[in-house]
Amino acid sequence: EPEVTQTPSHQVTQMGQEVILRCVPISNHLYFYWYRQILGQKVEFLVSFYNNEISEKSEIFDDQFSVERPDGSNFTLKIRSTKLEDSAMYFCASSGTYTEAFFGQGTRLTVV
Amino acid sequence: KQEVTQIPAALSVPEGENLVLNCSFTDSAIYNLQWFRQDPGKGLTSLLLIQSSQREQTSGRLNASLDKSSGRSTLYIAASQPGDSATYLCAANMIYNQGGKLIFGQGTELSVKP
Repeated sequence: EPEVTQTPSHQVTQMGQEVILRCVPISNHLYFYWYRQILGQKVEFLVSFYNNEISEKSEIFDDQFSVERPDGSNFTLKIRSTKLEDSAMYFCASSGTYTEAFFGQGTRLTVV
Repeated sequence: KQEVTQIPAALSVPEGENLVLNCSFTDSAIYNLQWFRQDPGKGLTSLLLIQSSQREQTSGRLNASLDKSSGRSTLYIAASQPGDSATYLCAANMIYNQGGKLIFGQGTELSVKP
């Protein structure tokens, strides 16, 4: 069964460092997303990406965040200068047109 | 602004019981609604997707209903098993292009006791 894969599963970084979270969406999907879940809180939408550009982004997705689809299979989320409050589980998701979204297993980011 | 609420926050039932999880949303202009399961420290597993034109959707022991006009969805789990223990999340997909974005509830943590 096709699945969304994310790497790494856990990343620890120092405050102020740049991190790149990687995702391989389901191959025939056209829409890609990043969500995050701070411990004990709701899953929050960050950004959606379609046709090689951002479709929509939330207030959380400020200039410190960027997304990229560098090749035909990968989808990345970059945080330029991490803050303590960026510590969360980050989920990548993908969907087809008018279909359900499938989520990866997440990357737990810990900023120290 | 869409708000999604799930009641109860936690539920503990004995094995074999049928149960209902509730989800409500404030903006009825949703495109579809999706139910997920989340195990501790894990990702989100899609359970059911209900399009806005549908009233219900079934998969095995799970049945989800949608009433857009009242802003409610329910997830019915029949003959619960200890393996059903997890957090169940509902998410409303807002009408936006063709992909959309999901607005999540806070989840119902279900514990099924043997």
